[in-house]
Amino acid sequence: QQKVQQSPESLIVPEGAMTSLNCTFSDSASQYFAWYRQHSGKAPKALMSIFSNGEKEEGRFTIHLNKASLHFSLHIRDSQPSDSALYLCAVSPANSGTYQRFGTGTKLQVVP
Amino acid sequence: NAGVIQTPRHKVTGKGQEATLWCEPISGHSAVFWYRQTIVQGLEFLTYFRNQAPIDDSGMPKERFSAQMPNQSHSTLKIQSTQPQDSAVYLCASSLGQDTQYFGPGTRLLVL
Repeated sequence: QQKVQQSPESLIVPEGAMTSLNCTFSDSASQYFAWYRQHSGKAPKALMSIFSNGEKEEGRFTIHLNKASLHFSLHIRDSQPSDSALYLCAVSPANSGTYQRFGTGTKLQVVP
Repeated sequence: NAGVIQTPRHKVTGKGQEATLWCEPISGHSAVFWYRQTIVQGLEFLTYFRNQAPIDDSGMPKERFSAQMPNQSHSTLKIQSTQPQDSAVYLCASSLGQDTQYFGPGTRLLVL
């Protein structure tokens, strides 16, 4: 069964800093990789996703995927206090009979 | 599109009572998921339906938890003989398939 793990568990960064969040997975045949963001008291919401090796940038957010290393990451440039949230990574399998699996999350706090 | 609807938003029960949680997925989504979220355990998968059929209930505590999806417009999660350790936010999500899941606002269950 797919295992998805995140690091670090929690992170405090100063406003304006670069934030890097990590996710590892166990199935190299996985085909869809996503980050969700959950603000306190709210539901998780999809933030960004990527299908193939490489990187994808949307505004201040960048995803890097390296399938061979079973690793993908989220980088937040110029971190803002509004970025403070729980970040969940998710991995979808190649097997159509199963579903997207989530990591346990990284709690990010951006301090002014 | 109203998104995933969950009712009630908050529920308080006494130990030993029954709790029924409702979820209305996004119209047209074929997959429905139930999760439980606590600070200690994070986001835990409970069960998954595809086209109303139960596919995977490996996360469900077998003795007291049950889930049903009697039609494509709603699913229920029932907890019998609730215990204080059942206190959590119960999240329902729906998706078109294996990728992005859309979460409801959750039901915050408190068992006294």
